[in-house]
Amino acid sequence: AQSVTQPDIHITVSEGASLELRCNYSYGATPYLFWYVQSPGQGLQLLLKYFSGDTLVQGIKGFEAEFKRSQSSFNLRKPSVHWSDAAEYFCAVGTYSGAGSYQLTFGKGTKLSVIP
Amino acid sequence: DAGVIQSPRHEVTEMGQEVTLRCKPISGHNSLFWYRQTMMRGLELLIYFNNNVPIDDSGMPEDRFSAKMPNASFSTLKIQPSEPRDSAVYFCASSFRGEADTQYFGPGTRLTVL
Repeated sequence: AQSVTQPDIHITVSEGASLELRCNYSYGATPYLFWYVQSPGQGLQLLLKYFSGDTLVQGIKGFEAEFKRSQSSFNLRKPSVHWSDAAEYFCAVGTYSGAGSYQLTFGKGTKLSVIP
Repeated sequence: DAGVIQSPRHEVTEMGQEVTLRCKPISGHNSLFWYRQTMMRGLELLIYFNNNVPIDDSGMPEDRFSAKMPNASFSTLKIQPSEPRDSAVYFCASSFRGEADTQYFGPGTRLTVL
């Protein structure tokens, strides 16, 4: 069965500093990969996704993520964090079963705090 | 274009009462998903529909939970009877197969069962 690991439960960075959020997945083939962001009291908003092709994908709000097959990773990065980026970030993998059933499996999330 | 719409946004009820959560997916989407989010268990898929047909309900916790999708623009998740351990945020999401199943989430319903 597929799984997603986000090793960092909580990260604190200073405004203007760079950011990298880690995500590792376990799956036999190349899955669909997603990063979502959730602000307090809000639903999940899609930041970016990877299906195939260029392993470096650009998303909204200045985020990017790189798919590394050899490491089974899909880390999220941003060169300069803004205070409004404080939120919880979820990595997810989308997979199909042999019967065609589709499942999106989420990591536990990483809470990002930004200090002035 | 309106996103996924969920109602109510907040629900407080007493143990034993029936609770009905509602969802309107994005127009044109043909897959709909119900998730539950708690601090302990994170985001869990409860059930999903494709073309109004339930495809996978293995995440539904027990018989007290039921979900329906009578047409392409409406779905309900019902809990009867409700229990305090059902307290959580319930999200509905929709997608269009052919877009590699990118799911778009609603704002959620925060359910508190006293």
